[in-house]
Amino acid sequence: LAKTTQPISMDSYEGQEVNITCSHNNIATNDYITWYQQFPSQGPRFIIQGYKTKVTNEVASLFIPADRKSSTLSLPRVSLSDTAVYYCLVGDYGGSQGNLIFGKGTKLSVKP
Amino acid sequence: GAVVSQHPSRVICKSGTSVKIECRSLDFQATTMFWYRQFPKQSLMLMATSNEGSKATYEQGVEKDKFLINHASLTLSTLTVTSAHPEDSSFYICSANTGRGMYEQYFGPGTRLTVT
Repeated sequence: LAKTTQPISMDSYEGQEVNITCSHNNIATNDYITWYQQFPSQGPRFIIQGYKTKVTNEVASLFIPADRKSSTLSLPRVSLSDTAVYYCLVGDYGGSQGNLIFGKGTKLSVKP
Repeated sequence: GAVVSQHPSRVICKSGTSVKIECRSLDFQATTMFWYRQFPKQSLMLMATSNEGSKATYEQGVEKDKFLINHASLTLSTLTVTSAHPEDSSFYICSANTGRGMYEQYFGPGTRLTVT
């Protein structure tokens, strides 16, 4: 599975847009990019997944450049409740094992 | 949506005793379940992959005789921490794979184990 690199932490204020970038230089052709959110003492929650270009759902957008060596999770107008750790994972969508290897994640702190 | 539950949510046990943690997929059948461990302020670390009807696959450095995994049905996997010690105190999280692809994986709420 491709290794990912994310900023350890980020600070933001309520109402701002937050962009968290993840580097994955050795991403493979079959790899997808998936982001999870984790609150303290809870299991991770799936946010969004993409393969290339842009993906948008009701909570976030995911931007992936043409070379796919990085990706950016965009959270529009964050609130205090978005304070959490965000993990970027890269792996084969159709992998037989499907196990997820978590990196260190980005701790996002949203301030009032 | 797919829901995964864990029981218990918190457990305190004495050193030397064994503790069983259950992971259930409530509204789907999970051919594969995963067990993770998370220490304070650290990321999740995959411990083992549990396949229904077969032996679990453990990650390097995880003692299979200490962390017993049983996946007896398509909706239940159990993790038993045998002869627990204070260093086993951690947050244990399971996830279940619907079999439709990597991201179709749903996490349980976690179990906080404290060994005194």
